[in-house]
Amino acid sequence: DSGVTQTPKHLITATGQRVTLRCSPRSGDLSVYWYQQSLDQGLQFLIQYYNGEERAKGNILERFSAQQFPDLHSELNLSSLELGDSALYFCASSVEGQSNQPQHFGDGTRLSIL
Amino acid sequence: GESVGLHLPTLSVQEGDNSIINCAYSNSASDYFIWYKQESGKGPQFIIDIRSNMDKRQGQRVTVLLNKTVKHLSLQIAATQPGDSAVYFCAENIPGGYNKLIFGAGTRLAVHP
Repeated sequence: DSGVTQTPKHLITATGQRVTLRCSPRSGDLSVYWYQQSLDQGLQFLIQYYNGEERAKGNILERFSAQQFPDLHSELNLSSLELGDSALYFCASSVEGQSNQPQHFGDGTRLSIL
Repeated sequence: GESVGLHLPTLSVQEGDNSIINCAYSNSASDYFIWYKQESGKGPQFIIDIRSNMDKRQGQRVTVLLNKTVKHLSLQIAATQPGDSAVYFCAENIPGGYNKLIFGAGTRLAVHP
């Protein structure tokens, strides 16, 4: 158990809808990361937050947004969903936001768009 | 659970043998590397990391080797066990990108009794 908690484990919804994925980092970790894992693209970095502030952005679509709250949990919001958004979404956390620190992953949310 | 990367390269080994999983990383400026293990239905699990000022690091039953000259990373697993069956990913961190990790495509390790 990594200590990173993600909810829900599974989400099934339709095209055009909006969903919110939630992540609680490991106790003491200030930085949260979101990744998308699909069969054809592998694990792709989306966005990083550190202590409530956005730190780095990757290949995150404009339809997607995220935030980190004062209690350090984070939410990833996906809107105007398309079939291609079906994937596993992982959250990871690390103690701080600098490089050279291991990230610890949750077990993900599996999003299925029908 | 869902299979990750149905068309990943697969390494098949006998239980008790040593396994070597290889990874070519992309950026010569990368200064930090991690190996992760992902079992079906689970998230990537941290195995071992290495900084670019080292060329070898050992953990429990695992060793990571780094060859910066050819941008190559390997993970050696000693006395491979059925519980080691999983997909293994290497990840690199590029300086200046905060802690954004770039993941390799992964290798599936299949351990046979």
